[in-house]
Amino acid sequence: KAGVTQTPRYLIKTRGQQVTLSCSPISGHRSVSWYQQTPGQGLQFLFEYFSETQRNKGNFPGRFSGRQFSNSRSEMNVSTLELGDSALYLCASSLVDSSYEQYFGPGTRLTVT
Amino acid sequence: DAKTTQPPSMDCAEGRAANLPCNHSTISGNEYVYWYRQIHSQGPQYIIHGLKNNETNEMASLIITEDRKSSTLILPHATLRDTAVYYCIVVNQAGTALIFGKGTTLSVSS
Repeated sequence: KAGVTQTPRYLIKTRGQQVTLSCSPISGHRSVSWYQQTPGQGLQFLFEYFSETQRNKGNFPGRFSGRQFSNSRSEMNVSTLELGDSALYLCASSLVDSSYEQYFGPGTRLTVT
Repeated sequence: DAKTTQPPSMDCAEGRAANLPCNHSTISGNEYVYWYRQIHSQGPQYIIHGLKNNETNEMASLIITEDRKSSTLILPHATLRDTAVYYCIVVNQAGTALIFGKGTTLSVSS
């Protein structure tokens, strides 16, 4: 069974721009969570989606948003990029909602210049 | 969620058992212990989880003390590919956000 896929793997953007990252969960998995990883803050939870509904949200500004489609694929968007948004963005899927047994993708490395 | 304490780093010889400790002295009765690891430049990988009984799967064993205040993840025969940061996470059933701490960097050498 194919794992979680994330596209693109690497991205360079300029301050003020916006970016959209994509995540395809493992086939059959209906829950998708997003995390941000930086050297300073470590791994931090962004939000979780299940059945196209946001179920849980971390402590990030409104510039960070996401959505989930009917096929469980998910996208996250960051608007008005700041230098501090440079990070590895990780997507994780799980079979059901409210599950801590999550399977992570390889991440998208975003660099903001 | 209960706070966890892990040593920042550990070394292990290839082929030997790696025993990674985690202290969670404030754990509540309905909180689970989850272990993940992150190999350099990859996403975290789920390893195992438990509530009060010891658990074993193809990757590792999880030993939880009777008072549940601490646990040990055991990799029975460590290989170089087990070099990674290992995270011990305590969660309850109220949400789905994994709260990662700093973890333990395990270095396996030949």
